[in-house]
Amino acid sequence: NAGVMQNPRHLVRRRGQEARLRCSPMKGHSHVYWYRQLPEEGLKFMVYLQKENIIDESGMPKERFSAEFPKEGPSILRIQQVVRGDSAAYFCASSPDGGGANEQFFGPGTRLTVL
Amino acid sequence: GENVEQHPSTLSVQEGDSAVIKCTYSDSASNYFPWYKQELGKRPQLIIDIRSNVGEKKDQRIAVTLNKTAKHFSLHITETQPEDSAVYFCAATPSGSARQLTFGSGTQLTVLP
Repeated sequence: NAGVMQNPRHLVRRRGQEARLRCSPMKGHSHVYWYRQLPEEGLKFMVYLQKENIIDESGMPKERFSAEFPKEGPSILRIQQVVRGDSAAYFCASSPDGGGANEQFFGPGTRLTVL
Repeated sequence: GENVEQHPSTLSVQEGDSAVIKCTYSDSASNYFPWYKQELGKRPQLIIDIRSNVGEKKDQRIAVTLNKTAKHFSLHITETQPEDSAVYFCAATPSGSARQLTFGSGTQLTVLP
């Protein structure tokens, strides 16, 4: 059973460009979470999605950031018009349905650098 | 919302000694508390978790204790080894449905050979 997959692993963008980060959850997991980690800091929750639905986006900046988890394909975190402050590691996690719903397993992360 | 505080921010121990990391939380509704280990440049890995219906859980050299009354929980690593060196994060969330994790700020553990 493959773990949580994320791509790309590293992404370099210039200010004003768009960044698209992809996350494929573990097989059988329908819950996806995105977290942001600034250098030498902890992980901050951004958004929680289930298939085709955003459940909780309370940690997402109101502008420039959006997320989706379509019926088919990976979850995507999209950052428009990137700024230097968006440089961070973005981690996706997934969890299964049922009693183990709280156990979240993380992907390898996408390290975004904004020049 | 939930607020999780973690101490210490850095911890150095001699190989073979024990290490203890402590966390406090604010939301009395939280009842799931995982611990993650993150090596430099790697993903956070779940190493142990505890739910509020138990006070202690052990897995080989790792144990977690929970005091719901005081709203704090701790990670204990015994017989530390150099490969235990990493950043450790505690987290908390309400159980019963899939919810976001609120993380502590992390503890950089260094095990000196």
